[in-house]
Amino acid sequence: AQTVTQSQPEMSVQEAETVTLSCTYDTSESDYYLFWYKQPPSRQMILVIRQEAYKQQNATENRFSVNFQKAAKSFSLKISDSQLGDAAMYFCAYRSRGSQGNLIFGKGTKLSVKP
Amino acid sequence: EADIYQTPRYLVIGTGKKITLECSQTMGHDKMYWYQQDPGMELHLIHYSYGVNSTEKGDLSSESTVSRIRTEHFPLTLESARPSHTSQYLCASRLGGGETQYFGPGTRLLVL
Repeated sequence: AQTVTQSQPEMSVQEAETVTLSCTYDTSESDYYLFWYKQPPSRQMILVIRQEAYKQQNATENRFSVNFQKAAKSFSLKISDSQLGDAAMYFCAYRSRGSQGNLIFGKGTKLSVKP
Repeated sequence: EADIYQTPRYLVIGTGKKITLECSQTMGHDKMYWYQQDPGMELHLIHYSYGVNSTEKGDLSSESTVSRIRTEHFPLTLESARPSHTSQYLCASRLGGGETQYFGPGTRLLVL
């Protein structure tokens, strides 16, 4: 069975600085999706960025980028120029590529941003 | 923003009451999900549905039940609420084969 591990329960970053959140996963499959979701306090869970395993190029969305290392089964999220609004729980998630298959989530990393 | 809605957003109820948490989406997604999440904690999948008249239990055992009579509607019911049911319940949906799963705003349930 697939598993997702986020080894950092809490992280802190200074406003305008860069922070990297770690995620590792375990799977025997070769084709899958990886996601980072953001859940601000008392607000809706939203997708930050996604990566398709067959694409070697790392996904980027504005200040958010990933470092996808398929062989190492690692999928870290880098947040550049951190803003106060980035403070949230961040969840890493995995899903098989087939139409079936449910998201498998890590336990989350709570990110605090200091002004 | 995703068109997925949950009502009520907050609910305080006494032990033994029957409650139904509503979830609806207007995106025509065939797959829908219910998660249970304590504040600041991990998500636990409790129910999912791959289409009308299809429901399955998730990874976390739950005393709740669900139904899927219409594509857009996926309500969750607790026949007799208990304090142990106090939590946040998140609904989500996805188009079959689609990459992204969208989440509703959640229902915070407090059982006294």
